[in-house]
Amino acid sequence: DTGVSQDPRHKITKRGQNVTFRCDPISEHNRLYWYRQTLGQGPEFLTYFQNEAQLEKSRLLSDRFSAERPKGSFSTLEIQRTEQGDSAMYLCASTGDGNTIYFGEGSWLTVV
Amino acid sequence: AQSVTQPDIHITVSEGASLELRCNYSYGATPYLFWYVQSPGQGLQLLLKYFSGDTLVQGIKGFEAEFKRSQSSFNLRKPSVHWSDAAEYFCAVGAGSSSASKIIFGSGTRLSIRP
Repeated sequence: DTGVSQDPRHKITKRGQNVTFRCDPISEHNRLYWYRQTLGQGPEFLTYFQNEAQLEKSRLLSDRFSAERPKGSFSTLEIQRTEQGDSAMYLCASTGDGNTIYFGEGSWLTVV
Repeated sequence: AQSVTQPDIHITVSEGASLELRCNYSYGATPYLFWYVQSPGQGLQLLLKYFSGDTLVQGIKGFEAEFKRSQSSFNLRKPSVHWSDAAEYFCAVGAGSSSASKIIFGSGTRLSIRP
């Protein structure tokens, strides 16, 4: 069990550029979550997948954000036309038994 | 809507002293409750969880929490803190029809340890 893996861990991008984050959940975990966390705040729910199906999206997930999990394994979170307000840590999490949700180390995004 | 309130933004305790971090939740049904810990720049680690049964839950690192339905609370306790316990602590509630639905986090309590 290698845990939830996220890549890249840190990303600095210029405003207006697109960025993509990847999440590899724990093997055979069928549910995968994305959260966003800004400094001094708790994680905010963005979206989650059951296998390859995206079951819920938060209103925080604007049209510039898109998440996919094409084969029900890894997931990507893409942010188009980044804005400074997108600067945050993006956390991925997964669960297999539905009782314990495991989080990755997060991907830090800085938009300059 | 489900929500979690952590009334204490920052707490400082002396090493070896006891600790209690407060958490209040709002949820219509029996809640699924969690405490997570986060070190600076890191992801979240699950300390303990409550789904049903015994209202006093034991977790890792010597932490425990007590579910009190009448007070809508799930406070985290530790009898004697260590300097390594300094971190951000988040209370969370499972929102939805099953335990694997999304979880909603509070805004966190930052714990500092006085030598």
